[in-house]
Amino acid sequence: AQTIHQWPVAEIKAVGSPLSLGCTIKGKSSPNLYWYWQATGGTLQQLFYSITVGQVESVVQLNLSASRPKDDQFILSTEKLLLSHSGFYLCAWGGQISNERLFFGHGTKLSVL
Amino acid sequence: GEKVEQHESTLSVREGDSAVINCTYTDTASSYFPWYKQEAGKSLHFVIDIRSNVDRKQSQRLIVLLDKKAKRFSLHITATQPEDSAIYFCAASRNSNNRIFFGDGTQLVVKP
Repeated sequence: AQTIHQWPVAEIKAVGSPLSLGCTIKGKSSPNLYWYWQATGGTLQQLFYSITVGQVESVVQLNLSASRPKDDQFILSTEKLLLSHSGFYLCAWGGQISNERLFFGHGTKLSVL
Repeated sequence: GEKVEQHESTLSVREGDSAVINCTYTDTASSYFPWYKQEAGKSLHFVIDIRSNVDRKQSQRLIVLLDKKAKRFSLHITATQPEDSAIYFCAASRNSNNRIFFGDGTQLVVKP
C-alpha cells in the first residue's frame, strides 16, 4: 500500500526566516507530485507539480521554490518567509496518467509571525 | 485558465435528507471532475469522481452528475449522516496536463 508522509506537522516561524517542508511517498514508483497551499478556511491553490525526479513546474509565484531530489521526495522551501505564507500546505501524489485521483498528505500548518 | 466555482459556500441539512453541491467550470477541455472531502483540521481525501465520457456516476450514497453543455457538475449525498459534515471541494482538470483547479469549498453541516 502507498503511504504519504509530510513533515513537519506544524511550524511557527518568524517573518524573514527560511523554511523547508517535505513529503515522502512510499510504495508508488514515479508518482506525479503536487504542492498545494490553503489559506485558513480557504480554497486550494496549486503551487508546483513534478512528473519526474529533478523536474518541477511552477504554477504560481509565491516566493516559494520546490525540488524533487529523489523519486519519492518533494521539498518546498523559501529563504525568506512572508506573513502571507501562513496557511496549510498539502503535498499530494497521483498516478502518471493525468486525470487520476490525488492522495493527500496530512498537511503542514504554517504560522508566520 | 480554468475557473471552478462552487455555488454554495455553506449548506445545512437535516440528517436523512439529501444534500446537493453544485459546481461550474469554464474550460470546455476539462474532462475529469473529482470531489474531495476535508474534515475539520484535517487533510483532503477523495470521495468520488466523474469523467466527461459519462453524465452520471454513483457510489453508495454519493451521486455525481455532469452536464457538459452547461459546464456544470454536482454532488448529491443521499440519506445524509452527521459524519458527512465536512468541507467538500470540487475540482476540474484537462486530460493533457497536471493543472488541477479547485472550487472554494462548501461547508456541509448535517444536523441530527
